[in-house]
Amino acid sequence: DIQMTQSPSSLSASVGDRVTITCRASQSISRSLNWYHQKPGKAPKLLIYDASSVQSGVPSRFSGSGSGTDFNLTISSLQPEDFAIYICQHGYTIPLTFGGGTKVDIK
Amino acid sequence: QVLLVQSGAEVKKPGASVRLSCEASGYTFLSYYIHWVRQAPGQGLEWVGLINPSGGSANYPQKLQGRITLTRDTSTSTVFMDLSGLRSEDTAVYYCARSHAYLGFLFDLWGQGTLVTVSS
Repeated sequence: DIQMTQSPSSLSASVGDRVTITCRASQSISRSLNWYHQKPGKAPKLLIYDASSVQSGVPSRFSGSGSGTDFNLTISSLQPEDFAIYICQHGYTIPLTFGGGTKVDIK
Repeated sequence: QVLLVQSGAEVKKPGASVRLSCEASGYTFLSYYIHWVRQAPGQGLEWVGLINPSGGSANYPQKLQGRITLTRDTSTSTVFMDLSGLRSEDTAVYYCARSHAYLGFLFDLWGQGTLVTVSS
């Protein structure tokens, strides 16, 4: 199975900060990498698919980059509604696996 | 409205079985795979299987082979997840989610989640 490792596991940031979260795959997954965020008690929501494509309706402050094994999610200017857990997921092959998540909270 | 609506919470004893449902509406049911993803309390997400509603073929992770079965009813656009031999470690919120059959394994629509509690 492909292992997905996220870093950091948590971070504290302020409104307006630029935030970058990293996801590393245990083998090359081309660009088959998706990003979600999840708020307490809610289902995850798709933000970025295929490494860098922004899902319809997602604000432009979210962007993704990377290919192969190393990927980044960047929030250009953190907003109050962005405090959540961010999760990567590979879509390269079955079984699908997720990263452990990065909790973004208020500094 | 495009929705996945899941059945309600379940409490089961160890060794029992549970059946969860996920009803799709507002889109072409046969064009999207339905996946199940679970999240144990305070833990991360774990993929537990997918079904192709067009044909009914399914895939499961190795660790659940033999205990999990996904089926579908195309007349009601509903997918069912049967999990047998329940253990305490199966306690989790179970989500269904869809991915387009030809656009890769990305989950663009999720159900609201169903809590399954396994306890004696």
